[in-house]
Amino acid sequence: DGGITQSPKYLFRKEGQNVTLSCEQNLNHDAMYWYRQDPGQGLRLIYYSQIVNDFQKGDIAEGYSVSREKKESFPLTVTSAQKNPTAFYLCASSRQGAHYGYTFGSGTRLTVV
Amino acid sequence: DQQVKQNSPSLSVQEGRISILNCDYTNSMFDYFLWYKKYPAEGPTFLISISSIKDKNEDGRFTVFLNKSAKHLSLHIVPSQPGDSAVYFCAASRTSGSRLTFGEGTQLTVNP
Repeated sequence: DGGITQSPKYLFRKEGQNVTLSCEQNLNHDAMYWYRQDPGQGLRLIYYSQIVNDFQKGDIAEGYSVSREKKESFPLTVTSAQKNPTAFYLCASSRQGAHYGYTFGSGTRLTVV
Repeated sequence: DQQVKQNSPSLSVQEGRISILNCDYTNSMFDYFLWYKKYPAEGPTFLISISSIKDKNEDGRFTVFLNKSAKHLSLHIVPSQPGDSAVYFCAASRTSGSRLTFGEGTQLTVNP
């Protein structure tokens, strides 16, 4: 079955440490996205990539970094520069053209202590 | 600049009655709209969509209405069931666009 996998589901890190969230898809989708969900703020776009080896900043990219070395993978690194990293992180993928809609992963809950 | 807004953070309805979730947008370039449903600790799942060339799209118990002049869309769920209790996100895009813009979400609670 095709799908999009995020791991781990729960992640705890100490303040000041970088952490990388994994996102893998086998849907053969060209585009991939990272969103962050906070209570009352909906889904905010961090980074997105429409093609391998290329990506663009979203609305809240500060303190985050990404790479897109393979079509199937789009890992997100939360750096120590991110002021409020505790959140629920969602990865999504889509065919070329956002109007086709996204397929979302099940999310990673990151808690920084 | 919040281009897609869902002004009701929460909505509570009785089982069997109609649920109406509302969404407003400001960007007149948006021409494709989608609704997603999300349970806690899970990713959102696609529910229904509508293109700006239509004013209504129906799929079973779910109907989306689009009023382009008012830049307003709504999702109707009839009849509502307890399993419909979730957060509902409205999203918008340009057909040529590379990303969806989401609203803040509305928590729907359907009481038995």
